[in-house]
Amino acid sequence: SAVISQKPSRDICQRGTSLTIQCQVDSQVTMMFWYRQQPGQSLTLIATANQGSEATYESGFVIDKFPISRPNLTFSTLTVSNMSPEDSSIYLCSVGGPRDTEAFFGQGTRLTVV
Amino acid sequence: GENVEQHPSTLSVQEGDSAVIKCTYSDSASNYFPWYKQELGKGPQLIIDIRSNVGEKKDQRIAVTLNKTAKHFSLHITETQPEDSAVYFCAASMVNTDKLIFGTGTRLQVFP
Repeated sequence: SAVISQKPSRDICQRGTSLTIQCQVDSQVTMMFWYRQQPGQSLTLIATANQGSEATYESGFVIDKFPISRPNLTFSTLTVSNMSPEDSSIYLCSVGGPRDTEAFFGQGTRLTVV
Repeated sequence: GENVEQHPSTLSVQEGDSAVIKCTYSDSASNYFPWYKQELGKGPQLIIDIRSNVGEKKDQRIAVTLNKTAKHFSLHITETQPEDSAVYFCAASMVNTDKLIFGTGTRLQVFP
């Protein structure tokens, strides 16, 4: 199993500012995933973060808006840039998947943009 | 790409009754189907999963069935308890990828 810690757990931010979310895993992993969960909605994959290479973004998500860093095999950050109220969501970090055993999720970062 | 539909969106049952949540998927290449439980303020947690080489899997009060021909899979919870109250998500994943495509979620309420 994997234990994932996300910081901050929640934040309220002004529109136009940026927030960086941190994800720390207790073991080395090849890939880390960032998901967005809009209020009352399902989880949507934003991007896959590989150590030592650029993140791979899903359709509808761009690097300028959601820059990702992956400096080592246990840590990643997601930045939500130039925020608007539409960015208010829960952002979740995940590791693992069916090719290994299962996917594990952090507790999420609840972001409110005012 | 893959699309996963989930029904119902809300489900209320009396304690001790059974609950069934259904999902359909669109891509026949999908071969892994997990179910997640998400409690308020927490990340999703895997409760059971099934791979395309089996039709049913059981773990105590929880079971998942898979019909590959019809491309649908279901979660069955028997003898429900108030602590089963949460949002449940199904998901699908294709061969050679760890990406998960999630269903829209079902809010289950179990009344004592």
